[in-house]
Amino acid sequence: DVKVTQSSRYLVKRTGEKVFLECVQDMDHENMFWYRQDPGLGLRLIYFSYDVKMKEKGDIPEGYSVSREKKERFSLILESASTNQTSMYLCASTGPGSGNTIYFGEGSWLTVV
Amino acid sequence: QKEVEQNSGPLSVPEGAIASLNCTYSDRGSQSFFWYRQYSGKSPELIMFIYSNGDKEDGRFTAQLNKASQYVSLLIRDSQPSDSATYLCAVNGGADGLTFGKGTHLIIQP
Repeated sequence: DVKVTQSSRYLVKRTGEKVFLECVQDMDHENMFWYRQDPGLGLRLIYFSYDVKMKEKGDIPEGYSVSREKKERFSLILESASTNQTSMYLCASTGPGSGNTIYFGEGSWLTVV
Repeated sequence: QKEVEQNSGPLSVPEGAIASLNCTYSDRGSQSFFWYRQYSGKSPELIMFIYSNGDKEDGRFTAQLNKASQYVSLLIRDSQPSDSATYLCAVNGGADGLTFGKGTHLIIQP
């Protein structure tokens, strides 16, 4: 089974803090994604990566950055957290071996106070 | 801008009946179509995917695709209370992953 692991399930951070959200997948997938999900807005793509050290902006990249130093790991960084970044963050991965099906991690609930 | 539209609901269906969930998409070049189920507070989990026009059945679930009408649906037969969840339709048209609809909230009434 595909496993996408998000290291932090629940976080509470203060405004202005730097926040790291880590994601690891064990299926050798090339593509990895970070989404956020908010009530009434659905899933919105923040950033994605199709290879090590490669990144592409999604629909809402402002206020976020990402890092992909190893194929299995994709990190989302909030340089200076703000209250409007309170959300559930979902990491996902896919690759040719999975028929381009996207598999999600369990989600990280971030509250910025 | 690719768009995927779903009725947000809630859609209320009696237990044992057929639940029908619908989705339309804007990008005619879309190649693959997915249905995810999401329970409250949990991440989405894949239920079915379909690539070709017609029906695809898996247990109590049937996905239907009509590319000419840009329409995809999910039927759930013999609905159970455990089927109560939000169902997300997603469409893949390129290298930037899936475009998701906002989901339909389904309630199965015992």
